Amino acid sequence: QKEVEQDPGPLSVPEGAIVSLNCTYSNSAFQYFMWYRQYSRKGPELLMYTYSSGNKEDGRFTAQVDKSSKYISLFIRDSQPSDSATYLCAMRKGAQKLVFGQGTRLTINP
Amino acid sequence: NAGVMQNPRHLVRRRGQEARLRCSPMKGHSHVYWYRQLPEEGLKFMVYLQKENIIDESGMPKERFSAEFPKEGPSILRIQQVVRGDSAAYFCASSPPGQGGNTEAFFGQGTRLTVV
Repeated sequence: QKEVEQDPGPLSVPEGAIVSLNCTYSNSAFQYFMWYRQYSRKGPELLMYTYSSGNKEDGRFTAQVDKSSKYISLFIRDSQPSDSATYLCAMRKGAQKLVFGQGTRLTINP
Repeated sequence: NAGVMQNPRHLVRRRGQEARLRCSPMKGHSHVYWYRQLPEEGLKFMVYLQKENIIDESGMPKERFSAEFPKEGPSILRIQQVVRGDSAAYFCASSPPGQGGNTEAFFGQGTRLTVV
């Protein structure tokens, strides 16, 4: 069993839709949870960074962490074609290595 | 403030040659991480370094791979006697010193290694 599971998709939605991306994990020691966006042939770009359980909102993006269920989510409201990318969840404990999900390839259709 | 700088962006090596990948962290960052990404896969941790110290190398293959982060200069990931299976994108990330690890990691644009 992988430490972090993420549905690889691909996921295709119309412009303006609400997108929900999810990851589950098995290691209860994880404390820090991140979402990265990666465009083709580019480096991962940090989108959201959350410590422990709760919600965090930044513009059209909302990150949720439910440590009791070992489940994290990223919601994208009013999705735009420019949001088309691969979204990677990542998590870690302390200053240690990030453990990534496989990434979900998202396409927003105009 | 420049971001994490990696070079070269693309590197082609013949089987058996050596590959050297360089990473200059963001200014003020003292933690460097190397990750490898195979096509259609997430990033896999390789090694975590601080200045002049290897903190965690649990993701590094036991042979042919080494990494360093000297007191002066960039971090280097070195792959000796490359094989076709080493072809991948190699990403470096850096983060500032922080208490308990509550610091964000920022990635470079990666080096795409192709072994022919």
